[in-house]
Amino acid sequence: EPEVTQTPSHQVTQMGQEVILRCVPISNHLYFYWYRQILGQKVEFLVSFYNNEISEKSEIFDDQFSVERPDGSNFTLKIRSTKLEDSAMYFCASIGTSGLYNEQFFGPGTRLTVL
Amino acid sequence: DAKTTQPPSMDCAEGRAANLPCNHSTISGNEYVYWYRQIHSQGPQYIIHGLKNNETNEMASLIITEDRKSSTLILPHATLRDTAVYYCIVRVGRETSGSRLTFGEGTQLTVNP
Repeated sequence: EPEVTQTPSHQVTQMGQEVILRCVPISNHLYFYWYRQILGQKVEFLVSFYNNEISEKSEIFDDQFSVERPDGSNFTLKIRSTKLEDSAMYFCASIGTSGLYNEQFFGPGTRLTVL
Repeated sequence: DAKTTQPPSMDCAEGRAANLPCNHSTISGNEYVYWYRQIHSQGPQYIIHGLKNNETNEMASLIITEDRKSSTLILPHATLRDTAVYYCIVRVGRETSGSRLTFGEGTQLTVNP
């Protein structure tokens, strides 16, 4: 069964450093998402991406965040200058061609620890 | 998207049916009810969704009341592996986006041996 993959599984970084979280969505999917979950809290939407541009973003997704689909398979989330409060699990998700009502497939997540 | 209310926790005996309720009294006519679950910090996993008719798949059944103000997710024969946080999410599909999922606190289901 096809699945969303994410790398690395755990990333440790120093405050102020840039990090790039990588995701490989399911191959024929067209809508891509990033969510995050701070330890013990709810899963929160960050951004959605379609047709090589951001289609929706939350108030969390400020200028420190950016997303990119650099090639036909990867979908990345960059945090320019990490803060302690960016420590969280980051989940990538994707939806297939019809998009609107289909299930979102989530990856296993990247645990980001900012020291 | 309409808000949902779920009990914070429930217990179920292994092999018995688990019935997880959800209230969504402000649901609109074009909003679907989705259920996802999250097993111990793994990525959320889709279970089922419906608009107004009851739905069944290999994982679960979804019963939506006639007025659509509440629903129940049924796991017919719960196993220990079904221990997870279950999220009831109401959302509309938007034409111009893939439509975010808004997660609440969910229900922590614990299946006991």
